[in-house]
Parts: sequence; structure tokens; C-alpha cells
Amino acid sequence: QKEVEQDPGPLSVPEGAIVSLNCTYSNSAFQYFMWYRQYSRKGPELLMYTYSSGNKEDGRFTAQVDKSSKYISLFIRDSQPSDSATYLCARKGAQKLVFGQGTRLTINP
Amino acid sequence: IAGITQAPTSQILAAGRRMTLRCTQDMRHNAMYWYRQDLGLGLRLIHYSNTAGTTGKGEVPDGYSVSRANTDDFPLTLASAVPSQTSVYFCASSERAGGVTDTQYFGPGTRLTVL
Repeated sequence: QKEVEQDPGPLSVPEGAIVSLNCTYSNSAFQYFMWYRQYSRKGPELLMYTYSSGNKEDGRFTAQVDKSSKYISLFIRDSQPSDSATYLCARKGAQKLVFGQGTRLTINP
Repeated sequence: IAGITQAPTSQILAAGRRMTLRCTQDMRHNAMYWYRQDLGLGLRLIHYSNTAGTTGKGEVPDGYSVSRANTDDFPLTLASAVPSQTSVYFCASSERAGGVTDTQYFGPGTRLTVL
């Protein structure tokens, strides 16, 4: 079992919809999680990071960690075509990041 | 500010050939990383370096070697390329190796095809 599992999609939604992207992780000791966004033919860039459990909000984006179910989520409100990208969740260890497979998201105008 | 540059952008390589992927950062970051990205498998760590002069193995190190002679450069070498090494390779860097909230910054990637 991979340490971080993510549904690769693809996921296609209309503009303005609320998007929910999800990952599960295997080890309850993990505490720091990150979401990266990767546009086509580009390198990933950090979108948000969260610690332990609870929510973190940044504009239209909300990251959520549920430690009891070992579930991490990214919500995008009022989705825009410019949000079309691959979203990667990752858990942060002492030195390294371990990534999920990435979910490819398309927002249709 | 350039950030991280990688060269070449893409390459087609015959199996058995030696190839070095170049990575340079101008942020004076201590830690650098090499990942490969494959469909359905996500990003997987090949090798890393916590500081100049040190290197370590990641999740998928076999067939690859790295060196870190100075802070800025972190080349990845395929000694004898095989078709399974066809992938997109990303170099990344972070200010420190152990900071849990340290951001890793990624380069634009190198698309390598081994025939």
C-alpha cells in the first residue's frame, strides 16, 4: 500500500462548481500535509500546507485533515477554468515529501 | 530570479547510452531533490542531497547516480539508460532538509524517452 493514495481522476466539472479532491494516508503518525498544483508541462508548485487536523483556508481554497479517518481534502469554491491542473497531495516527513498519484482536474467554461 | 533551471528540456536517448540531466538553482538552498513522474504513479523520489557534499537514496534510486559538488548544482546521471527510465524528471530544492514546513520548489522538468 502506498503511503498516500489519491484517485487519479480525471475529474471534469463546470465553472463555478465546488470541487472536492481527496487523499488517504496510511500512517496516523503523519502530521504535515501539502497540496501542490501542477499545470500541464510545468513543475508542481505549492498551493497549501496543513498541520495535523482541522481546516486551513486561503481564498477559494480550503485544505482539511481528518486524522480519525486518515483523510485529507482540498476544496475549491467558485472553480475557474484557470484551476484546471493536476493536484497532488503529499505528506511531509523529516526530510522528504511522499506524493499521491495526483488528480487531473478540468473546469469547463 | 530564475529559481531552478533544468537541461535539457527533452531528450530522446538510445538504450545503453549514458545521460546526465542538469539542475541548477540560484536560491542558495541547502537541500536538493530529484523526482521522476510517471502516469498513475505520481512523483517518486530518486535521490536527494541535504547539503553540498552529501547525497542520499530515495524511493527509486537504482540505475541513477547523483553528485553535489557545490550548493547550486545537482546533476542526475543515468549510467546506461533503459526503456523503463522513460519519464519526466523534476529537480527540486528547499531552504533546509528537515524543516517540516519548508517549501520544495520545482524546476520545469526534463522529458526523457529511452528507446
